[in-house]
Amino acid sequence: QKEVEQNSGPLSVPEGAIASLNCTYSDRGSQSFFWYRQYSGKSPELIMSIYSNGDKEDGRFTAQLNKASQYVSLLIRDSQPSDSATYLCAVGVTGTASKLTFGTGTRLQVTL
Amino acid sequence: EPEVTQTPSHQVTQMGQEVILRCVPISNHLYFYWYRQILGQKVEFLVSFYNNEISEKSEIFDDQFSVERPDGSNFTLKIRSTKLEDSAMYFCASFSGGAPYEQYFGPGTRLTVT
Repeated sequence: QKEVEQNSGPLSVPEGAIASLNCTYSDRGSQSFFWYRQYSGKSPELIMSIYSNGDKEDGRFTAQLNKASQYVSLLIRDSQPSDSATYLCAVGVTGTASKLTFGTGTRLQVTL
Repeated sequence: EPEVTQTPSHQVTQMGQEVILRCVPISNHLYFYWYRQILGQKVEFLVSFYNNEISEKSEIFDDQFSVERPDGSNFTLKIRSTKLEDSAMYFCASFSGGAPYEQYFGPGTRLTVT
């Protein structure tokens, strides 16, 4: 069973702080990694994709990938109340058109 | 900005009835997917579709489920005889087939089986 693990949270951070979200995956052959944001009752919204070891930055978001440790993370700088949502880690195993395997998500609460 | 659309947003049906969920993927995307999310649980893959045929399906996608691309724009998921446990949000996603290898999700259809 190929698994994607996330801490369910909630992770509570004050406004303006850095939120750090983590994800581990079991299949060493995984090739593509994604972070989606999901507001309650809504669909997953793509935030970041990452395919190579290292960091990838996009605005306030930075994704980090370490394939040796089978670990993906998402950093959100200058957290805003509007960032309060569930963050889903998704992994593609078999290539660019692969199905995605999702974690259960980490609920982030940004407090005023 | 192009987006995936889905209809209806909410479908209520009785156990044993057939339902068809509809999706319009992003124009010029080549790969299409259905996922579902039971309330409070993780998003689960159902099926992927490329070049007018199923490319992969999960254990959930049994004989009660079928997918079709009836024309150049629509992509449908049919559940032949719904069960109570089919109640979930159903998401359609599409992917262009090239970089940046990202799947974009539609807003979902909430299916309630009574």
